[in-house]
Amino acid sequence: LAKTTQPISMDSYEGQEVNITCSHNNIATNDYITWYQQFPSQGPRFIIQGYKTKVTNEVASLFIPADRKSSTLSLPRVSLSDTAVYYCLVGSKAAGNKLTFGGGTRVLVKP
Amino acid sequence: DTAVSQTPKYLVTQMGNDKSIKCEQNLGHDTMYWYKQDSKKFLKIMFSYNNKELIINETVPNRFSPKSPDKAHLNLHINSLELGDSAVYFCASSQVRGRNTGELFFGEGSRLTVL
Repeated sequence: LAKTTQPISMDSYEGQEVNITCSHNNIATNDYITWYQQFPSQGPRFIIQGYKTKVTNEVASLFIPADRKSSTLSLPRVSLSDTAVYYCLVGSKAAGNKLTFGGGTRVLVKP
Repeated sequence: DTAVSQTPKYLVTQMGNDKSIKCEQNLGHDTMYWYKQDSKKFLKIMFSYNNKELIINETVPNRFSPKSPDKAHLNLHINSLELGDSAVYFCASSQVRGRNTGELFFGEGSRLTVL
């Protein structure tokens, strides 16, 4: 199973772009890369998912290099409400739906 | 309209007791999961069911027994509770599409405290 490694924490300021990189060196061919956001006392919430290259939605972008051994979640112009823990998740149906979360990155957005 | 709902939200009990946590999803998904989040915030998968069939049992003690009466429900029963069982338990669901397990939708969590 692909293990993921993320920075433990990051600080930023309102209006800045935040980039969080996740390493998944042994990602399998069938694995997708998914990012989740978790606020205190809530369940994780889906942000974005990708397989290769770049994916963008209304809240974030996901950059995946050709070798897929890492991925970077980009949050444009963060606000205080983006303070949360962000998890990188790698997995697929081929892996038996065994979606394993990494330790997460605690992002603190300061005014 | 809560997509994935768990009950109870909080549960405080004594060691040795038996307790259950219920989960229901109204998204029509075919796969449901139980995750355990410990005090260090690591999210570990415990079980996964696809159309009422167990597909993942991730080295969880036999004291934990999931039950899926239908694909919209996945309940977790815990026997002989131990102090180390104290954690937040999250239920989730997803719709598998091809090789993609799909987006996970999580419940709000059930905080279990064993005294």
